[in-house]
Amino acid sequence: NAGVTQTPKFRVLKTGQSMTLLCAQDMNHEYMYWYRQDPGMGLRLIHYSVGEGTTAKGEVPDGYNVSRLKKQNFLLGLESAAPSQTSVYFCASSDSALPAQHFGDGTRLSIL
Amino acid sequence: QQQVKQSPQSLIVQKGGISIINCAYENTAFDYFPWYQQFPGKGPALLIAIRPDVSEKKEGRFTISFNKSAKQFSLHIMDSQPGDSATYFCAARGGATNKLIFGTGTLLAVQP
Repeated sequence: NAGVTQTPKFRVLKTGQSMTLLCAQDMNHEYMYWYRQDPGMGLRLIHYSVGEGTTAKGEVPDGYNVSRLKKQNFLLGLESAAPSQTSVYFCASSDSALPAQHFGDGTRLSIL
Repeated sequence: QQQVKQSPQSLIVQKGGISIINCAYENTAFDYFPWYQQFPGKGPALLIAIRPDVSEKKEGRFTISFNKSAKQFSLHIMDSQPGDSATYFCAARGGATNKLIFGTGTLLAVQP
């Protein structure tokens, strides 16, 4: 049972480039989330989804877009990467009836 | 009102000692308070959680103490071991979508 899988694990981008981070979960969870983790700031919610075809903004959504075309996948896109988006990105999922969130192991993204 | 304040930022404890991490919140609508443990290079993993109708929850060496009137909760790690060395995050849930507000994290080092 893989749980939550994130790809890629590491990536280096140049300013202005675009990329998509993929999150896949095999637990049939309704809810999925994208966070960024920065030193001294904990985890901050970027976007989340409460079901296939739905997305909503979190605490720090600017510069990011998301899509949830399939229940098991949640994609995070950076259209024009900026150095301020250098961070570790975590995806999580949870069952709609239970509050516990299950996290992937993160994508470490550096933008030069 | 949406913040969760966590202290200390870092903590050094001797093997066998008690580690105590504190969190405070303002929003009385929060209804679920988890603690997550994160090892380097890994995603956060749920350690223990409590709901506000309970003042204490214990799982093995880990205990959450919850003070609803003071709007504070804390994690106690009894008989701390070097394997407990990790970053710990408190969090609080507000709303039906299981969105979590995280504290800024505590880096715990247990010295042998």
